[in-house]
Amino acid sequence: AQSVTQLGSHVSVSEGALVLLRCNYSSSVPPYLFWYVQYPNQGLQLLLKYTSAATLVKGINGFEAEFKKSETSFHLTKPSAHMSDAAEYFCAVRLNNNNDMRFGAGTRLTVKP
Amino acid sequence: NAGVTQTPKFRVLKTGQSMTLLCAQDMNHEYMYWYRQDPGMGLRLIHYSVGEGTTAKGEVPDGYNVSRLKKQNFLLGLESAAPSQTSVYFCASSPRGGNTEAFFGQGTRLTVV
Repeated sequence: AQSVTQLGSHVSVSEGALVLLRCNYSSSVPPYLFWYVQYPNQGLQLLLKYTSAATLVKGINGFEAEFKKSETSFHLTKPSAHMSDAAEYFCAVRLNNNNDMRFGAGTRLTVKP
Repeated sequence: NAGVTQTPKFRVLKTGQSMTLLCAQDMNHEYMYWYRQDPGMGLRLIHYSVGEGTTAKGEVPDGYNVSRLKKQNFLLGLESAAPSQTSVYFCASSPRGGNTEAFFGQGTRLTVV
């Protein structure tokens, strides 16, 4: 069965510091991978997605993620955190032959001034 | 641009009552999903649909039923609400499966007392 694990339910960084949010998937076949962001009292919106065209994917708001098959990972990074990045971030997977989309437990990012 | 619209936004139910949550999308998407979001557990898939007239079970389908009589609408029913169903419910739609992203509604906060 497909699954996705996000390491760290809470991550706190200082403004201007590197953001690293971890996501690992468990599948023998590389799935389609997504990162979503959720601001308080809102729905989820797409940050970026991996579609096998390139292993380094750039998304909105300066975020990017790198697909590493050998590590079954799709970690999300941003070189310099802004206060406005404070939100909850979700990694999601969809296998090639599956129609549903499954989400990780989420990582809440706090940005300190 | 309405996108995905959920009705209602808030609801309080008594244990044993029934209700239906409505999701409507105006993007002509084939796939639709219902998730519940609980603290520390991310989004869990309840049911989904890959086209008009079709439905399938997700991770946590017990206690819920769904219908997709029209392509643009996906209904989630609770026949006999229980306190364990207190949650925030999100509807989403995507053009199809594979690498297509899901678009989310704003959520319905349901409390069962």
